[in-house]
Amino acid sequence: ETGVTQTPRHLVMGMTNKKSLKCEQHLGHNAMYWYKQSAKKPLELMFVYSLEERVENNSVPSRFSPECPNSSHLFLHLHTLQPEDSALYLCASSQDLRGRDEQFFGPGTRLTVL
Amino acid sequence: QKEVEQDPGPLSVPEGAIVSLNCTYSNSAFQYFMWYRQYSRKGPELLMYTYSSGNKEDGRFTAQVDKSSKYISLFIRDSQPSDSATYLCAMGDTQGGSEKLVFGKGTKLTVNP
Repeated sequence: ETGVTQTPRHLVMGMTNKKSLKCEQHLGHNAMYWYKQSAKKPLELMFVYSLEERVENNSVPSRFSPECPNSSHLFLHLHTLQPEDSALYLCASSQDLRGRDEQFFGPGTRLTVL
Repeated sequence: QKEVEQDPGPLSVPEGAIVSLNCTYSNSAFQYFMWYRQYSRKGPELLMYTYSSGNKEDGRFTAQVDKSSKYISLFIRDSQPSDSATYLCAMGDTQGGSEKLVFGKGTKLTVNP
């Protein structure tokens, strides 16, 4: 595997379900990001991790819970989501926070909340 | 006024046409300007990166920044069907500083054979 991978690629869940999105980067980067991409809207930065430490949390509801066990893996735990949370969730990485202007994105997880 | 404005299109052109994609912005502190290309069912990939005002050329692609007008452009010469994608502009105010990147909504481009 190369670059940034995300699983699953598609996820359908009910509002009461609990699920997790997984991201793995094979680039040796130290910073990782979660973004939300909705139709007709700009990319919204959700969380930023640097060396497994969360450095930014951009007013994201608590039903989204990130986890970064090491610099290569990033998870987004989901629970009691709302239909408006349906979107493409993108993971990205960069060499470090100073290199965040050059981010490498994964293919995304298309999430549908019923 | 939104921080970054980008016409979402869609934009449809014939193969071989010159394509012009644009973004305007309001924050005069932005110094770094990027264009990302996003194919259907894929994540964005960095296409062009420019610093401050001026032009940068890479093959058929030219990125142009006019800081005085707060206006950036991406030109695609001799467009190909493989250029069909959504193009996102993005900008930041310090080199890898603590400020996040700000993205435009993206312009969907279709190049017809």
